[in-house]
Amino acid sequence: EVQLVESGGGLVQPGGSLRLSCAASGLTFSRWWMSWVRQAPGEGLEWVANINQDGSDKYYVDSVRGRFAISRDNARNSLYLQMNSLRAEDTAVYYCARYVRSTSVGDYYMDVWGKGTTVTVSS
Amino acid sequence: DIQLTQSPSFLSASVGDRVTITCRASQGINSHLAWFQQKPEKAPKLLIYTTSTLQTGVPSRFSGSGSGTEFTLTISSLQPEDFAAYYCQQLKSYPLTFGGGTKVEIK
Repeated sequence: EVQLVESGGGLVQPGGSLRLSCAASGLTFSRWWMSWVRQAPGEGLEWVANINQDGSDKYYVDSVRGRFAISRDNARNSLYLQMNSLRAEDTAVYYCARYVRSTSVGDYYMDVWGKGTTVTVSS
Repeated sequence: DIQLTQSPSFLSASVGDRVTITCRASQGINSHLAWFQQKPEKAPKLLIYTTSTLQTGVPSRFSGSGSGTEFTLTISSLQPEDFAAYYCQQLKSYPLTFGGGTKVEIK
């Protein structure tokens, strides 16, 4: 069974930093693009970042570019999100997801999601 | 950025009803649209991708259609377990974006 488990969330003061982790199992992690998606309390879903299989290609939503960094360690089957200069508006549940990107067929989708880890930015 | 507008944002329906949710994109996204279901305190669940392809294990009462800028998710006969929030997502270009969501509640 494919499983993604996020960790590293918590309470942090504005301007602080956190590093989220996502441990993958049941899949050949190095074959897949990966994503981070967040959801603020009572709000909808917001895509945060994507990374390709070897970590050489990364994309971010404008609101986190320059503050957040997505990375991965394929040897450890792990995805990361380094979050710096945190703001109150970064308060959310953060999900990692597998991003299926089949360019030959034209299919793109996020099919496996973790349960999420909660980040609260508050003084 | 491609904006996705979902309608309605809230829907009250009864078990057995046919339900349709619309997602309009601010520009053409070909068929690169997915639909998710989310229940309270749970992660989103992929229902449909590439506009109309049913994800493995998703009941056939769910279907998707559309092209270009207008897309629909249809539930042919609403079941008790379908009361949830639904989101569309475009995967045509970065930043990937989601619709604002539709909450389906019991009438």
